[in-house]
Amino acid sequence: GAGVSQTPSNKVTEKGKYVELRCDPISGHTALYWYRQSLGQGPEFLIYFQGTGAADDSGLPNDRFFAVRPEGSVSTLKIQRTERGDSAVYLCASSLRQAAGANVLTFGAGSRLTVL
Amino acid sequence: GENVEQHPSTLSVQEGDSAVIKCTYSDSASNYFPWYKQELGKRPQLIIDIRSNVGEKKDQRIAVTLNKTAKHFSLHITETQPEDSAVYFCAASISGDKIIFGKGTRLHILP
Repeated sequence: GAGVSQTPSNKVTEKGKYVELRCDPISGHTALYWYRQSLGQGPEFLIYFQGTGAADDSGLPNDRFFAVRPEGSVSTLKIQRTERGDSAVYLCASSLRQAAGANVLTFGAGSRLTVL
Repeated sequence: GENVEQHPSTLSVQEGDSAVIKCTYSDSASNYFPWYKQELGKRPQLIIDIRSNVGEKKDQRIAVTLNKTAKHFSLHITETQPEDSAVYFCAASISGDKIIFGKGTRLHILP
């Protein structure tokens, strides 16, 4: 596609429910990132994929969070037993590594998650 | 892991003046430092980046400097314009992999 697409754009859920957030990266981009952004804060790293595998998942806050990218394109971030503290904008970004060391991220518009 | 500190959190400058935003990083292995701009309600977009093999990079009114010894890097915007009003994020990374962002600087350009 022309850009990084994230769905849903808005999700309101109740505490304890399960949520899935989807990211459709730019076609051909091998790297895919998930960040979480709370109001007035910078993007907080969660996980990144190189192809199908999670290259670094050290930012996932706990085992309620899980992400997959089974075919190396679309990724899904899954949150179990949601808590109010999970409320944030979840940003996805993808990139095509063109030069060693440089990595230009193209962000999606984000999925705003509100846990009541 | 890497930690990126950014100052100030808010900055107001008169239109036409210069703005400087400073960042420090903790991991001496970091070698890639991008800057992103996020306008209100929009997604972050890359405005400039620098790799550790250079000390300065310029792109029109924007420049970034890097001091590897001190683990400092800074964004300089000259001749500021109203459209420069936004939140700016610095970031650091080892070889462009895991990119860690600072908390952001809200820049206000005053008329």
